[in-house]
Amino acid sequence: DTEVTQTPKHLVMGMTNKKSLKCEQHMGHRAMYWYKQKAKKPPELMFVYSYEKLSINESVPSRFSPECPNSSLLNLHLHALQPEDSALYLCASSRAATNEKLFFGSGTQLSVL
Amino acid sequence: DAKTTQPTSMDCAEGRAANLPCNHSTISGNEYVYWYRQIHSQGPQYIIHGLKNNETNEMASLIITEDRKSSTLILPHATLRDTAVYYCIVRPQFSSGSARQLTFGSGTQLTVLP
Repeated sequence: DTEVTQTPKHLVMGMTNKKSLKCEQHMGHRAMYWYKQKAKKPPELMFVYSYEKLSINESVPSRFSPECPNSSLLNLHLHALQPEDSALYLCASSRAATNEKLFFGSGTQLSVL
Repeated sequence: DAKTTQPTSMDCAEGRAANLPCNHSTISGNEYVYWYRQIHSQGPQYIIHGLKNNETNEMASLIITEDRKSSTLILPHATLRDTAVYYCIVRPQFSSGSARQLTFGSGTQLTVLP
């Protein structure tokens, strides 16, 4: 199984809502990532987890809260988002945080109204 | 500052070789060149990477110039399914923190024409 599965595929939320994005992999990878991609722009790194510990936070606003419950799962909790947060949120995993080969999911397309 | 420079877009005829250039004139000795691609509505996909020597795998070939200031990704027989944005990324072999992570540039939109 070389897949990274993200749910939901699409999400529409209001600015006062709380929602969560989920990501799962069963490749035994110990590093997991969240990237954000605006339309027609390249992906931008948000967070890196290594062995279930947050190792990198790219100065992401606190309305985005990552969580890694175990080595296979990665969540991104969303609260009080702004319309400019509308984007494709991509999850990825790799054997380790220093590994060159990242496997990406297909992303969650988020719209904030 | 951008570490890589790629053409914004390129076309290629189906069945022909697609040659995608990348300029990385400020690359340092411990930095690898990586290529990923992103097909529409999908996440990026790893293609290949290299340090000095040319590399080949089942997807593509990577040709790195002797001075390492530029490289070319070659898809030997492009198909319509190869239409995607191709990202050339320079990444240090030994570093820590954010510097070690994948940083995507603008990439090249490759369109394979029937």
